[in-house]
Amino acid sequence: GIQVEQSPPDLILQEGANSTLRCNFSDSVNNLQWFHQNPWGQLINLFYIPSGTKQNGRLSATTVATERYSLLYISSSQTTDSGVYFCAVYVSGGYNKLIFGAGTRLAVHP
Amino acid sequence: EAQVTQNPRYLITVTGKKLTVTCSQNMNHEYMSWYRQDPGLGLRQIYYSMNVEVTDKGDVPEGYKVSRKEKRNFPLILESPSPNQTSLYFCASSLFAFSGAGTEAFFGQGTRLTVV
Repeated sequence: GIQVEQSPPDLILQEGANSTLRCNFSDSVNNLQWFHQNPWGQLINLFYIPSGTKQNGRLSATTVATERYSLLYISSSQTTDSGVYFCAVYVSGGYNKLIFGAGTRLAVHP
Repeated sequence: EAQVTQNPRYLITVTGKKLTVTCSQNMNHEYMSWYRQDPGLGLRQIYYSMNVEVTDKGDVPEGYKVSRKEKRNFPLILESPSPNQTSLYFCASSLFAFSGAGTEAFFGQGTRLTVV
């Protein structure tokens, strides 16, 4: 089955720093989503991004489906950005099942 | 506000005592599914439903039941919970079932279940 790999697995930042999170996938996918899981366990939708680039405030994402990767950029990080970031892909040719990566655990210190 | 609502958010129960976790969405979505999240294992799909009265097993269906009598509701039933079902559970919905439409998934707030 399809493999979804996220890097780095862990990231520690000082408040105000920028970071790039990467998601590689092993097969063609229809679409991709990025989520933030906050310390209370809630999964927050960040981006639904089949291709191209989207921006939402300090966050932006780029997916290059032909090269099988997506990037999540966090600028001017804040302590509230802490948590785990997941990318998840939709399996092509099947029903809407999401395959999740293992996540990047981000800690932003003041 | 468009949302997926799960209840309860937290639950501690004893082995063998039947329980139901409810899930409701207000977006008229066709497709709904349940996931569980465990340390080291990530998120795995339990059951899914492509529409009313249409349900099927996901990757880890053992010990769970579901029903889809109405479009908006998709309850998860544990007939005889065991400690290995201690987990964080998520309900999700999206507009269509098939990935050709590739629509966005929306998740509930999660239910943290402990079975002792």
